[in-house]
Amino acid sequence: GAGVSQSPSNKVTEKGKDVELRCDPISGHTALYWYRQSLGQGLEFLIYFQGNSAPDKSGLPSDRFSAERTGGSVSTLTIQRTQQEDSAVYLCASSIWDGDSPLHFGNGTRLTVT
Amino acid sequence: KNEVEQSPQNLTAQEGEFITINCSYSVGISALHWLQQHPGGGIVSLFMLSSGKKKHGRLIATINIQEKHSSLHITASHPRDSAVYICAVKGGGADGLTFGKGTHLIIQP
Repeated sequence: GAGVSQSPSNKVTEKGKDVELRCDPISGHTALYWYRQSLGQGLEFLIYFQGNSAPDKSGLPSDRFSAERTGGSVSTLTIQRTQQEDSAVYLCASSIWDGDSPLHFGNGTRLTVT
Repeated sequence: KNEVEQSPQNLTAQEGEFITINCSYSVGISALHWLQQHPGGGIVSLFMLSSGKKKHGRLIATINIQEKHSSLHITASHPRDSAVYICAVKGGGADGLTFGKGTHLIIQP
C-alpha cells in the first residue's frame, strides 16, 4: 500500500479482555516501531523490530504487552487482560532500514478500556 | 537509556516570527527525527538527520553531534504551523526510539 496501515482505527474493550492491534508497514521496510500516546501525554516507545534481529522490547510497560512481526512484514501488538491505564492511541511507524532513514507513521489505533 | 530534552515546552508567537525549537540528548545516536503533530491529527515526519543541516521550504533542521543538540527553525511562521513538534532520537544497534515531550507551538495571526 501507499502508507503504513493500522487496524482497527478505534477499539473499545472491557477491562480484563485481550486486544490485538495490527500494523501493516510499507512494503520493503525492514524497521518497524510501536509506540503509544496517552491523552495529553507525549509519545512512549514500546517495541522495535529490525529485520530478523531480536526486537528491542525495552519500552513494553508490563508482561501483559507483547508483539510479533511475522515474515518481516505485518506486526501485531497484543495486550492481555487490559486495564484502564492502557487506554491510549497506539501508533506504528516503519522505515526502510535501520538508523538514518525517514519514519513513516500510521494513523494509529485509539484504544479505550472501559 | 537516552534522555531527550526539548525546549521550550510551549511557545506562542506572532505570524511572521522566526521560530526556534531545541532538542538535546544525552547519549550518542545514529539518527534524530523531527516530527509534527497537529491537534487531533496524525504524526508527520519532517526531518531525519544524522549530521549537518536540512531544509524543506520554511523549515530548517540542524544537528551538532559533538554537542548532542539539534534545532528546528521555522522562518516566516504562519498559523498553520501551529502544532506539537517532537524530537526523537535513535541509538545505535537494536535500540528503539526515545522521544522528547514535545513543544507546543501556537502561531497567532
